[in-house]
Amino acid sequence: KAGVTQTPRYLIKTRGQQVTLSCSPISGHRSVSWYQQTPGQGLQFLFEYFSETQRNKGNFPGRFSGRQFSNSRSEMNVSTLELGDSALYLCASSVGTGGGSPLHFGNGTRLTVT
Amino acid sequence: QKEVEQDPGPLSVPEGAIVSLNCTYSNSAFQYFMWYRQYSRKGPELLMYTYSSGNKEDGRFTAQVDKSSKYISLFIRDSQPSDSATYLCAMSEEGGGNKLTFGTGTQLKVEL
Repeated sequence: KAGVTQTPRYLIKTRGQQVTLSCSPISGHRSVSWYQQTPGQGLQFLFEYFSETQRNKGNFPGRFSGRQFSNSRSEMNVSTLELGDSALYLCASSVGTGGGSPLHFGNGTRLTVT
Repeated sequence: QKEVEQDPGPLSVPEGAIVSLNCTYSNSAFQYFMWYRQYSRKGPELLMYTYSSGNKEDGRFTAQVDKSSKYISLFIRDSQPSDSATYLCAMSEEGGGNKLTFGTGTQLKVEL
């Protein structure tokens, strides 16, 4: 069974630009969550989607948004990029939402903002 | 103060040693407890998943949860060089969906 696939693996953008990251969950998984990982803050929850609906949102500014499609694939968008947005963005999928449905992570998209 | 505290290490042990990794937390609403392993340039890989207090064993790995002390542990027996990685604890609340709160991770090196 294929794991969680994230594209692209690496991105370099300039301050002020916007970026879209893509995630394909494990087949049969309906929940997709996004996390930001930085050396200083560690892994932080961005948002969760289940059946195309945002179920949960972390403490990030509105520049961070996402969506989920009917085939469970998900995208996240960051607008007006700042230097501090440089991070590893991780997507995770699970069968359902909440306890009893462990998260499985992809290998991430490394975003560098210059 | 962070909700989940984890010693960042690095922790260096000889091959074959028993490794003990720990996290403490402050949120008594956490009910689900996980340990992930992350190799360099890879995403976190789920190792152990437990609900509420108690022990769980899987091969060389044992996870313990003590909710009364707000303390969780991961033990690795007969450690191998391939166990060298960063170990992350994570927790979530009942009804919290897939919002996990992570520790900062402990870097482990198992030396030959």
